[in-house]
Amino acid sequence: GDSVTQMEGPVTLSEEAFLTINCTYTATGYPSLFWYVQYPGEGLQLLLKATKADDKGSNKGFEATYRKETTSFHLEKGSVQVSDSAVYFCALSPTDSWGKLQFGAGTQVVVTP
Amino acid sequence: NAGVTQTPKFRVLKTGQSMTLLCAQDMNHEYMYWYRQDPGMGLRLIHYSVGEGTTAKGEVPDGYNVSRLKKQNFLLGLESAAPSQTSVYFCASSESSGRETQYFGPGTRLLVL
Repeated sequence: GDSVTQMEGPVTLSEEAFLTINCTYTATGYPSLFWYVQYPGEGLQLLLKATKADDKGSNKGFEATYRKETTSFHLEKGSVQVSDSAVYFCALSPTDSWGKLQFGAGTQVVVTP
Repeated sequence: NAGVTQTPKFRVLKTGQSMTLLCAQDMNHEYMYWYRQDPGMGLRLIHYSVGEGTTAKGEVPDGYNVSRLKKQNFLLGLESAAPSQTSVYFCASSESSGRETQYFGPGTRLLVL
């Protein structure tokens, strides 16, 4: 079945450091891929998405490229801020989906001043 | 717009008690979802609805029931709560299926003793 694997956390960084969170997936066809972010005490919100191979999603300085050949959708940010401290979820929506999202386990990111 | 709201924010139940969680959205979305979030497991879909009057089972439906009598509301019921249902519950909605963004509520924290 479809699945998403993302690196375990917590990931602890200093402010202005480079962030990478790895995400790989297993799915048939061409799923859509998403990164959602959950700030402390809040619900999830969409950070970025990509719907076809080689698409790059970007938002708030974060980027991720849909790599069909490596079945990956790694999240990157060049210079993190304390306000980026959150839990990040990689998710996929299968090709023939009615709306189902398959989530990874989440990666907690802690940015220190 | 309030987006997606959830009631209550926090609840403590004793084993065997029942309760209903209410989700409301003001975005005129067709699709609504109930997820549970447990440590290290990401979000798992409990039930979903593709329109008013429809419901369907997700990945972990046992012990829960749902109803969607009005387009803007999606109710999640626990008939006889068990400690295994201690979790954080999130409601979400989307305009349509698959590649559309899901909008999440702030969550309900449920503790079953």
